[in-house]
Amino acid sequence: DTGVSQDPRHKITKRGQNVTFRCDPISEHNRLYWYRQTLGQGPEFLTYFQNEAQLEKSRLLSDRFSAERPKGSFSTLEIQRTEQGDSAMYLCASRGDSGNTIYFGEGSWLTVV
Amino acid sequence: QKEVEQDPGPLSVPEGAIVSLNCTYSNSAFQYFMWYRQYSRKGPELLMYTYSSGNKEDGRFTAQVDKSSKYISLFIRDSQPSDSATYLCAMEPTSGTYKYIFGTGTRLKVLA
Repeated sequence: DTGVSQDPRHKITKRGQNVTFRCDPISEHNRLYWYRQTLGQGPEFLTYFQNEAQLEKSRLLSDRFSAERPKGSFSTLEIQRTEQGDSAMYLCASRGDSGNTIYFGEGSWLTVV
Repeated sequence: QKEVEQDPGPLSVPEGAIVSLNCTYSNSAFQYFMWYRQYSRKGPELLMYTYSSGNKEDGRFTAQVDKSSKYISLFIRDSQPSDSATYLCAMEPTSGTYKYIFGTGTRLKVLA
């Protein structure tokens, strides 16, 4: 499979716990995005990497959220001290230099109980 | 007011019908317009991508952009039950932010 891969696909956690999601972009795509989608809403931009550099972060990304992309390959999104309001699908997407569109992974569902 | 407005539906149509899905937007800087299809609990799948005003056709799908009215449409001809999904419009300005602004999505159900 050469698409965007996300892991885990589903995560149930207790409030206050930390969770980490991983994204493997399409090979050779140097741009990587994280979005969040809640029920009945469209995806909302969280953050964007070009290679290993995090170039932009949305105000939606509170201090409890941190994203990394070491070596410009896979990326991780960590949520510390999870809250019930963090329950959502976290989507990763990637884009190449010559492309004008982004390609999404299947998403990682988070349920905070 | 949201930057991108999309009727959430649900929209139910009989198999074979022509489906029209629409979005309006307020930011005249948007130049790139996309339609994504999203099945339940799956990631969005790119259907159509258009730049500026005009029409683009791909099989049973036609995307239209009317920048003067700030209005975009997706038409699905000969709709099939497998087209039942949520359809999301997305837009991007030319500023190179690479941040897509999505509509809320329209749920479509095609009845066999």
